[in-house]
Amino acid sequence: QSVLTQPPSVSGAPGQRVTISCTGSSSNIGAGYNVHWYQQLPGTAPKLLIYGDNNRPSGVPDRFSGSKSGTSASLAITGLQAEDEADYYCQSYDNSLSGSSRYVFGTGTKVTVL
Amino acid sequence: QVQLVESGGGVVQPGRSLRLSCAASGFIFSTYGMHWVRQAPGKGLEWVAVIWSDGNNKYYTDSVKGRFTVSRDNSKNTLYLQMNSLRAEDTAVYFCAREESGGHEFDYWGQGTLVTVSS
Repeated sequence: QSVLTQPPSVSGAPGQRVTISCTGSSSNIGAGYNVHWYQQLPGTAPKLLIYGDNNRPSGVPDRFSGSKSGTSASLAITGLQAEDEADYYCQSYDNSLSGSSRYVFGTGTKVTVL
Repeated sequence: QVQLVESGGGVVQPGRSLRLSCAASGFIFSTYGMHWVRQAPGKGLEWVAVIWSDGNNKYYTDSVKGRFTVSRDNSKNTLYLQMNSLRAEDTAVYFCAREESGGHEFDYWGQGTLVTVSS
């Protein structure tokens, strides 16, 4: 079971802005651990999209941005394009002694371009 | 360029064993923590295990503790996952991934190898 909660799906027309939320708790995002985001195109491996809350690896368009506040984080995609249609996952680290996982992923969000 | 290539997946009966490998190239393997992450068919990502760069520290998600063992051979630039007592719920694509030092993020991933546990 995922420790980080995301909406199952979001959609938008080309050119629009969409946001994906990632809700955690005091043992992960709220503890100050960084949030990272991955894009997974159909049938492929995940790709690092945002690291350290709001940093883009080389080659990732600046249409993608991340933010974090309290126990939640968000991924924003501005100027939505057809090739952005994919699954997106947030990820962080969890220090809960009762937790079953040190590295935790979000439940995943499917982005559909209308 | 960084490359991670998994192998060893296949169809296996419940209760049997399987060993996955992940061949790394394009970076100094011995200086990075390495992970296994899995994805059941149609489901999300699930972290499975990590092994630190020197191989002396290993951690697992609860559902595989006592059944799976992560190891590495830094002389061969290879990561392994020994999976014993396999269950139907272990059916998934298994990815190896590199952890960017200190950041807890996975900056490079392999293409994955499918493990199917079925009688």
